[in-house]
Parts: sequence; structure tokens; C-alpha cells
Amino acid sequence: GQSLEQPSEVTAVEGAIVQINCTYQTSGFYGLSWYQQHDGGAPTFLSYNALDGLEETGRFSSFLSRSDSYGYLLLQELQMKDSASYFCAVRGALGNSGYSTLTFGKGTMLLVSP
Amino acid sequence: NAGVTQTPKFRVLKTGQSMTLLCAQDMNHEYMYWYRQDPGMGLRLIHYSVGEGTTAKGEVPDGYNVSRLKKQNFLLGLESAAPSQTSVYFCASSYAWTGGSNQPQHFGDGTRLSIL
Repeated sequence: GQSLEQPSEVTAVEGAIVQINCTYQTSGFYGLSWYQQHDGGAPTFLSYNALDGLEETGRFSSFLSRSDSYGYLLLQELQMKDSASYFCAVRGALGNSGYSTLTFGKGTMLLVSP
Repeated sequence: NAGVTQTPKFRVLKTGQSMTLLCAQDMNHEYMYWYRQDPGMGLRLIHYSVGEGTTAKGEVPDGYNVSRLKKQNFLLGLESAAPSQTSVYFCASSYAWTGGSNQPQHFGDGTRLSIL
């Protein structure tokens, strides 16, 4: 099976940089995704890392180290609208089904203050 | 573009009642998923489908059934509702995944279900 650990809450101020860490245990690892969820609404996709290294998309970057079973989401130039929950999700094998699915972490609530 | 549409948005049931949640997507996605989200638990996969007429169990399938008679629709049924099934239910869809490629999941706005 799969399991993921991420902090439950992170606080920061506008304009700052924040890093949300994620460690995972899984079999048949394919990649690590990050999703954002505002106020219990529809989660939206942010980024995906299949290989080691840093992926940058605007103010957001995501990093993966497969050997350490570790990744992080880096948010720069924080804005109030970035206050949301952030979920890491591992794409791994689902039992013996032959398919792979996402297993989500419990989420990190980011609170951005003025 | 509608994307992923879930109906109803809210529902209150009594213990033992049955109901069906409907998910419809207009993106021609092959894969569809049902998740439940409980406080502090993240999103947990209930059932998923990799194509029309095909469904499979996820992490927490007990007490639920699903059907995918048409490619664009994925139904989640509660056979005999229990208070433990009080949750927010999210449907998602994606293109098929192959190898290490990524196909993001697109989520609906959720159905908030309370069982008394």
C-alpha cells in the first residue's frame, strides 16, 4: 500500500516563501503530484514529478527525490489567495489490479497573513 | 466548459435509506473516480473506472456500489446509508495513464452528504 506524511498546517506572511514537505512509502512508484483545494471546493492540479529534480511553474515549484522518498512544494511571493489546503499524492500500483491510482496525503493547510 | 458536474450538491439522508450520486464529465476522459473526504483524512478512493462498463474497488469500497454504463457518467450508490458515510464525495476524471506519463485528475465541486 501507500502512505504519505505532510505537515497539517503551515503559516506565512504575504510575499514570503514557504515549503511544504511530503514523505511517502509506496510500492510501484510512478510519480508525485500536488493538488490545491480552496475552502473545501474542487481540488485542482498543480504539478507532477516523475523524475528527480525541480519542476517550476510560475510562483510554484515542486521537487522530488526518489531515493529519499521525499518531495516538496515551494510557493514563492505568497499572496493571500494562496491560503488553501495542499495535498501531495503518490501515483502507485493499486494492489494486483494492473492499474495505478493516486493516493493522497492528509493535506497541509496554508494560512497566509498580511 | 462544464468539466466535471456532480449532482446533487447537498443531501441529508436517514440511516438505512439508499441514494445515488451522479457524476458527469464532458472531456471525453477514459478514467473516472469516486473519493470521499473526511476532516483530517484527505481524499480516499472509493471506486474507479478505466472505461465504459468497467469498475474496480479502491481503498474504501465497503457500503458503496458504482456503475459506468456510459463513458461520460459514473454513478455512486449507497445501498443502506450509515452515519459513518457522512462525508464530502468528490468525483474526478482523467485521460488514461501510461507508463510514467501524467494525466491530471479533474474534480467536481463535491456532494455534501449527511446521514442521520
